Amino acid sequence: GAGVSQSPSNKVTEKGKDVELRCDPISGHTALYWYRQSLGQGLEFLIYFQGNSAPDKSGLPSDRFSAERTGGSVSTLTIQRTQQEDSAVYLCASSSQVGGSGTYFGPGTRLTVT
Amino acid sequence: AQSVTQLGSHVSVSEGALVLLRCNYSSSVPPYLFWYVQYPNQGLQLLLKYTTGATLVKGINGFEAEFKKSETSFHLTKPSAHMSDAAEYFCAVSRRGGTSYGKLTFGQGTILTVHP
Repeated sequence: GAGVSQSPSNKVTEKGKDVELRCDPISGHTALYWYRQSLGQGLEFLIYFQGNSAPDKSGLPSDRFSAERTGGSVSTLTIQRTQQEDSAVYLCASSSQVGGSGTYFGPGTRLTVT
Repeated sequence: AQSVTQLGSHVSVSEGALVLLRCNYSSSVPPYLFWYVQYPNQGLQLLLKYTTGATLVKGINGFEAEFKKSETSFHLTKPSAHMSDAAEYFCAVSRRGGTSYGKLTFGQGTILTVHP
């Protein structure tokens, strides 16, 4: 595809439920990132995958958050036992191996926890 | 650790006027520098980036930014604002070298309003 795609675009869930958010990066991009955008916290890095290396999970806010990347392409961000403070826009991004080539973002998934 | 400060959470200009959005960074070594724009209910779009070479970089939609190492700044400018420039703008940095160049640290954003 031409750009990073994410699904669903909107997700409303009840507190305590698990959710899965999907990201399909730009073809050929080896690096994939998840960010979170919320009113109070701005744009926060969550997790980063680069090729076959172990992911950088340093931004995950709690152990309720996890992510995987299958086959070096599609990624899924899972939030277990959702809380109201998890409400935010979750952005996926990808970049190539070339340093400073630019990181390209998807349209985001707006998660609302009621 | 790296950090980014955008001076002014809101900037308002008249159509046709100069746009100046300020960004300063803190980093032990000069990082990669980026400006992103976000239109309402949309994702982030890369406007321009500085990696190496010429310190004045040109981006899309007539925007440009100049990297000033001595001032640790990367201010975004556009000579003449257009109504369609109304959006939120984010300055970001990433560490130079290694493979984590897409791991971005963002400023808090500046909302640009353009008046007719």
